[in-house]
Amino acid sequence: EIVLTQSPATLSLSPGERVTLSCRASQSVYSHVVWYQQKPGQAPRLLIYDASNRATGIPARFSGSGSGTDFTLTISSLEPEDFAVYYCLQRSNWPSTFGQGTRLEIK
Amino acid sequence: QVQLQGSGPGLVKPSGTLSLTCDVSGGSFSTSNWWTWVRQPPGEGLEWIGEIHHSGSTNYNPSLKSRVTMSLDKSKNQFSLKLNSVTAADTAVYYCARVGETGYWFDPWGRGTLVTVSS
Repeated sequence: EIVLTQSPATLSLSPGERVTLSCRASQSVYSHVVWYQQKPGQAPRLLIYDASNRATGIPARFSGSGSGTDFTLTISSLEPEDFAVYYCLQRSNWPSTFGQGTRLEIK
Repeated sequence: QVQLQGSGPGLVKPSGTLSLTCDVSGGSFSTSNWWTWVRQPPGEGLEWIGEIHHSGSTNYNPSLKSRVTMSLDKSKNQFSLKLNSVTAADTAVYYCARVGETGYWFDPWGRGTLVTVSS
């Protein structure tokens, strides 16, 4: 089973700041990493698929990069609505696995 | 636009069977799609449970495989999850979702159903 390790676990930042979240895989998942945003009481929302492609309707301030084992999600300038938990997902190897999440908090 | 809505009992007794259904609307159910279940214990992360293809083929997470059964009913545009021998550790919000066209992501998701295992 591939383990996805997200770091940091929690980040405290202010609106307007730039942030980069990390997702590291225990073995290569090629470019098959997906990023989700989850707010309290809501289902996860697809942000990025195939490591770097924004899903429909996702603002340009969200970007993803990486391949192999190291992936990042960058938010160029935080908006108040971006404070949430972010998860990465891989389906390159069975079974599908999620990272443990990074919580983005308002400072 | 495809929408998913999960439903089922919110309370299940220990050692009982958890049964959930996901209704699919707004799109064709009988196409070459996989449909999946994911769960999230309160305050914790996401866990993939398994998936079912419109042909009826299934894949389950090895950690749950002995207790999970997925099925689908094309006439009702719905798919289902059964998890038997439940314990308090199975208390979670259960989400249904569609697997994306290339198979590498889940979208859209249903709103989630909280199932509590308690006597």
